[in-house]
Amino acid sequence: EDQVTQSPEALRLQEGESSSLNCSYTVSGLRGLFWYRQDPGKGPEFLFTLYSAGEEKEKERLKATLTKKESFLHITAPKPEDSATYLCAVGSSWGKLQFGAGTQVVVTP
Amino acid sequence: NAGVTQTPKFQVLKTGQSMTLQCAQDMNHNSMYWYRQDPGMGLRLIYYSASEGTTDKGEVPNGYNVSRLNKREFSLRLESAAPSQTSVYFCASSELAGRGGNQPQHFGDGTRLSIL
Repeated sequence: EDQVTQSPEALRLQEGESSSLNCSYTVSGLRGLFWYRQDPGKGPEFLFTLYSAGEEKEKERLKATLTKKESFLHITAPKPEDSATYLCAVGSSWGKLQFGAGTQVVVTP
Repeated sequence: NAGVTQTPKFQVLKTGQSMTLQCAQDMNHNSMYWYRQDPGMGLRLIYYSASEGTTDKGEVPNGYNVSRLNKREFSLRLESAAPSQTSVYFCASSELAGRGGNQPQHFGDGTRLSIL
């Protein structure tokens, strides 16, 4: 059965303190690894798609990487506006995504 | 650009009542999805429509029905609401999946549904 596990569940950072979020997965055939950001009261906002092991994507202070078993979302020198819940999802079959439970990130000034 | 629009944003129902959640997208996407999000459980797929004219069950379809009205609109119906269906419901849309992999899904801001 396909599984997606995110860790840690919650992360509290000081502004400027870099850290990484983990997304480990088991899936029979990976059809993409997706990262989303979700703010309170809003829907998930798409950040990145990774399709192959070794692939990396960057956007501002965020960088996503992918191996055959896990993905990392690195947050470099975070700011308070990076506070959100970050969701990981894997493409597990045609068109469908399997989501993890998310990592809640709080960045304090 | 509106993207994915969901109505209503909030709703309170009594057990046994019925209602329809509406979703429309203006991105010309072929595929549409309905999820529910509960604390600690992540997003779970209820139903999806790979393309206009098709619908399929997801992970948690019991108690729900869907209609793909046209390419833009995909509705979710609760025929007889139960307290266990209290949740936040999200609609999403995407380009059609291809051989290279799935496409990113784009979400609306949700409907917060409470069933008493």
